[in-house]
Amino acid sequence: DTAVSQTPKYLVTQMGNDKSIKCEQNLGHDTMYWYKQDSKKFLKIMFSYNNKELIINETVPNRFSPKSPDKAHLNLHINSLELGDSAVYFCASSQAGVAGVLYNEQFFGPGTRLTVL
Amino acid sequence: DQQVKQNSPSLSVQEGRISILNCDYTNSMFDYFLWYKKYPAEGPTFLISISSIKDKNEDGRFTVFLNKSAKHLSLHIVPSQPGDSAVYFCAVYNQGGKLIFGQGTELSVKP
Repeated sequence: DTAVSQTPKYLVTQMGNDKSIKCEQNLGHDTMYWYKQDSKKFLKIMFSYNNKELIINETVPNRFSPKSPDKAHLNLHINSLELGDSAVYFCASSQAGVAGVLYNEQFFGPGTRLTVL
Repeated sequence: DQQVKQNSPSLSVQEGRISILNCDYTNSMFDYFLWYKKYPAEGPTFLISISSIKDKNEDGRFTVFLNKSAKHLSLHIVPSQPGDSAVYFCAVYNQGGKLIFGQGTELSVKP
């Protein structure tokens, strides 16, 4: 199955803990993303990597650290989890357009629902 | 400061009729627009896109219309089917290559 996959699908943890979410795509894309969908259902970009290099870094607390070991993987590590981090996190991938312009559709994973207690 | 707005949080349509989902944006420099569909507990799925050099793009039952002067786009689904019931997100690429999403419209197609 060609797709974007994420693990785990659900993550329940205590405040202050450190957790990671993994993402893998087998679509051969060179760009990967992390999005956060908050309680109001807005989907907002957090990070984007192109060929393992960070190209978009939104105003996200530095407790969030993305890591891309290769262009098929983009993991998200979160330190010192807070209640406000509870959300659904989506990974996505796309093929970059000409001259790095990202005008292509993005393919999303199924999401990871993070609940911080 | 929402750059992409979907003012209708929900829409209910009878099976076989037309569904029209609307989206407004604020920046006239935006030039690539997409619609995504999302089922519960799944990720958004790309549906159809349009660039600013066009005013219409059609794919089967789905047609997207772009009105640049009004900074408005719409998605038409004809005929609507119960399986179309989902949340529909409008999204636009800004000049920095970021995809900005609207807040979504939940479509319910009744048999």
